[in-house]
Amino acid sequence: AQKVTQAQTEISVVEKEDVTLDCVYETRDTTYYLFWYKQPPSGELVFLIRRNSFDEQNEISGRYSWNFQKSTSSFNFTITASQVVDSAVYFCAPDRSALTFGKGTMLLVSP
Amino acid sequence: SQTIHQWPATLVQPVGSPLSLECTVEGTSNPNLYWYRQAAGRGLQLLFYSIGIDQISSEVPQNLSASRPQDRQFILSSKKLLLSDSGFYLCAWSVQLYTGELFFGEGSRLTVL
Repeated sequence: AQKVTQAQTEISVVEKEDVTLDCVYETRDTTYYLFWYKQPPSGELVFLIRRNSFDEQNEISGRYSWNFQKSTSSFNFTITASQVVDSAVYFCAPDRSALTFGKGTMLLVSP
Repeated sequence: SQTIHQWPATLVQPVGSPLSLECTVEGTSNPNLYWYRQAAGRGLQLLFYSIGIDQISSEVPQNLSASRPQDRQFILSSKKLLLSDSGFYLCAWSVQLYTGELFFGEGSRLTVL
């Protein structure tokens, strides 16, 4: 994928709410990868998931789930029953485009 | 298991002074290595990447340079820092260049005064 757009710059929720972070991508490739990373206040980015364009099955990992839809060029990330520790900046990233990330979405979960 | 470390964690330098940030990876061979910078706007900008010893690709022309003297060592340098060099610098590694997940170091916060 060449480019991703995370239209939500900041989201604020209260603990236990579900929240979805949007990611729309553009690509001319038939095969591509998309990634999600988390950057907590400490600053170190943490890899969350890599998705191959051939695999459109939704992925679930604990409270995290990802909805990959090629028809709408979206790869959205949902956190169920959010917790304060989920507060971070989340980046959806393409596999090319000089490996550069956008500004991400800042999620603030309040107690 | 693989680990990545970078240092120093925090650095305050005057304008015009040199810079050296170091990053090392353990537990893997021939990793792809990267230097990113994150300015106040939160976006991560790729500065350099390396696919092997002495093989450095620069993504953004600037007064920074990178070197890879050993397989698992990646160094970010500058001869004369500018105010605009302030930011949060992150080193990362991956197995695959474009399609592999990135594993990041702890980051180095540079303030140029």
